[in-house]
Amino acid sequence: GIQVEQSPPDLILQEGANSTLRCNFSDSVNNLQWFHQNPWGQLINLFYIPSGTKQNGRLSATTVATERYSLLYISSSQTTDSGVYFCAVVSNFGNEKLTFGTGTRLTIIP
Amino acid sequence: EAGVTQSPTHLIKTRGQQATLRCSPISGHTSVYWYQQALGLGLQFLLWYDEGEERNRGNFPPRFSGRQFPNYSSELNVNALELEDSALYLCASSFTTGYGYTFGSGTRLTVV
Repeated sequence: GIQVEQSPPDLILQEGANSTLRCNFSDSVNNLQWFHQNPWGQLINLFYIPSGTKQNGRLSATTVATERYSLLYISSSQTTDSGVYFCAVVSNFGNEKLTFGTGTRLTIIP
Repeated sequence: EAGVTQSPTHLIKTRGQQATLRCSPISGHTSVYWYQQALGLGLQFLLWYDEGEERNRGNFPPRFSGRQFPNYSSELNVNALELEDSALYLCASSFTTGYGYTFGSGTRLTVV
């Protein structure tokens, strides 16, 4: 099945810093989403972005489908941005299930 | 618009018992997906239901089962509970394949 790798696995930043999270996937996809999992376990949908670029406030994302990667940018980090960020994809070749990467744990220090 | 709702929020069961978890999708969504997130592990795909049928299941034993009702809500049943079944169970819904998935807040199952 499709493989999804995220980097870095852990990231510790000072409040106000910017960050870039990366997601590589091994096959072509028809769905790519970025999620933020808060400390209570809830998965918050950040972007539905199988290709192109989107922005929502301090967050933006870019997916280059032909090169099989996606980037999530967080600017001017706040402590509430802490948590685990997951990239998840649906492969073009199969079974429609959403396959998750292993996540990036982001910790923002005041 | 109401989001995906899951119940109960927390569930404590004894090893060997059965657990039933429930999920109501967003209105108009016909597909429901179940995922397991054990402590310190990633999200593992469990089951996919669409239009009342099981369309796909992950690498889990048959004691994990479920169903989807005519109103598209879904139930996950875990029989003969084992300690390692303790996990956060997340349900997601989507309008159809190829669209974004929206997740509920999860049910945290603890097996003692």
